[in-house]
Amino acid sequence: DAKTTQPNSMESNEEEPVHLPCNHSTISGTDYIHWYRQLPSQGPEYVIHGLTSNVNNRMASLAIAEDRKSSTLILHRATLRDAAVYYCILKSYGGSNYKLTFGKGTLLTVNP
Amino acid sequence: DTAVSQTPKYLVTQMGNDKSIKCEQNLGHDTMYWYKQDSKKFLKIMFSYNNKELIINETVPNRFSPKSPDKAHLNLHINSLELGDSAVYFCASSQLSGGDYNEQFFGPGTRLTVL
Repeated sequence: DAKTTQPNSMESNEEEPVHLPCNHSTISGTDYIHWYRQLPSQGPEYVIHGLTSNVNNRMASLAIAEDRKSSTLILHRATLRDAAVYYCILKSYGGSNYKLTFGKGTLLTVNP
Repeated sequence: DTAVSQTPKYLVTQMGNDKSIKCEQNLGHDTMYWYKQDSKKFLKIMFSYNNKELIINETVPNRFSPKSPDKAHLNLHINSLELGDSAVYFCASSQLSGGDYNEQFFGPGTRLTVL
C-alpha cells in the first residue's frame, strides 16, 4: 500500500477551523484517500473519502491537491468531541485489496 | 441499536489459557475483519472474512483462529495466550459486493490483558 505522512499531533481551539494535512506523494491513480478517526477508548470511525475532487459531508471536508500528492481534512468548527487520532489512509479498489492500513495518525487536541 | 458489537469488553486471563472474543454485526454486511491495536496504539489488520470465507490472513500466529459461523458473526479464538497478545482487539464490517467504497464500521473493542 502507498504510504501517507501526517504530523504526529496538532492543537486547535474550540469552534475554530482545523486543517489536518496528509502527504501521499506515491499515490497511484486507483488510490482513494480515506480518513478515519479514533476517539479515546473507541473503535475507529469513518470520516470521509475522495478520489480527485474536493468532498464535503456532515462531518468534514476533504480538500485534495490537484496532483493528488497531498490532501487536507478540514473540520469547520472544532468541538471538544473532535479530539481524536485522525488517520489518512490510501485504499485502492478492485482486486483483493480489502484492508485498511493504518499509520500513526495525527493526535488532535481541542482546547476549550 | 449497536451496529458492530463485541463481547466481552474486557478480558483478563493467565498465560497459557485459551479464550474467545465474539463479534456480531447487524448491518447486513458481507465482510468482517479483526484488527489488533497494541500498546503503542498501532492498529493492524489480522483477518478478514467475506461471505464466511477467509480472504485476508496477515501472518498471524496459528494460535489465533477466526471462525465465521455466518455472515453476521466473526469470532476470534486464541490458544495458549502469551503476554504479547495483550492488546485491544477490534472487529469491523463492511459491504464489499455492490458497495462503492467499502466504508468499515468498527466495534467498541475488547481489551485483552494476559498476566
